[in-house]
Amino acid sequence: ELKVEQNPLFLSMQEGKNYTIYCNYSTTSDRLYWYRQDPGKSLESLFVLLSNGAVKQEGRLMASLDTKARLSTLHITAAVHDLSATYFCAVDFMNRDDKIIFGKGTRLHILP
Amino acid sequence: GAVVSQHPSRVICKSGTSVKIECRSLDFQATTMFWYRQFPKQSLMLMATSNEGSKATYEQGVEKDKFLINHASLTLSTLTVTSAHPEDSSFYICSAKWAGSRNQPQHFGDGTRLSIL
Repeated sequence: ELKVEQNPLFLSMQEGKNYTIYCNYSTTSDRLYWYRQDPGKSLESLFVLLSNGAVKQEGRLMASLDTKARLSTLHITAAVHDLSATYFCAVDFMNRDDKIIFGKGTRLHILP
Repeated sequence: GAVVSQHPSRVICKSGTSVKIECRSLDFQATTMFWYRQFPKQSLMLMATSNEGSKATYEQGVEKDKFLINHASLTLSTLTVTSAHPEDSSFYICSAKWAGSRNQPQHFGDGTRLSIL
């Protein structure tokens, strides 16, 4: 069965702290995406990870992919309130006609 | 960057009404578009994959006669919710993928919030 599991599902943290969101998936894939969703809005693409060991950074967010462990991480450095949102990882399991399967999302709430 | 336009952004209508939602890729050609539904505080659930010039592929449990999909061109797909009922109230989001590269992410429309009274 194709599964994408994110944890934690909810995270409340103080500004200035660091934290990591984890995304595990059940079978072989070499394409993983991270998206951000603000309340009442659609999804915004953050990162595209296409190979084992891929690391991408944008501002205070850094994403990495370990295809052997079937794990991606989204690391938040020195969080600020503007990063409060729901973050989804999504996996492209090969041979599924470009369909992607989403994790349940991590609701991140950053306290001032 | 790639832009996907979805219209309307919000619909409120009476039970039994049919509602059409449009999804357009504005600056790229999309042979494949996807339709998702999202309930409050939940993840996105894929409803169907829309392929230009052919029938849509529906996910298990999605009624194809209720959710009609038409992908008439490389830049336009439509989802029609027929005879909508309150349980169809949800946030519907389309996405499109550029035909030229499998490495590109799906680009999402702004979503349509459907409320059936």
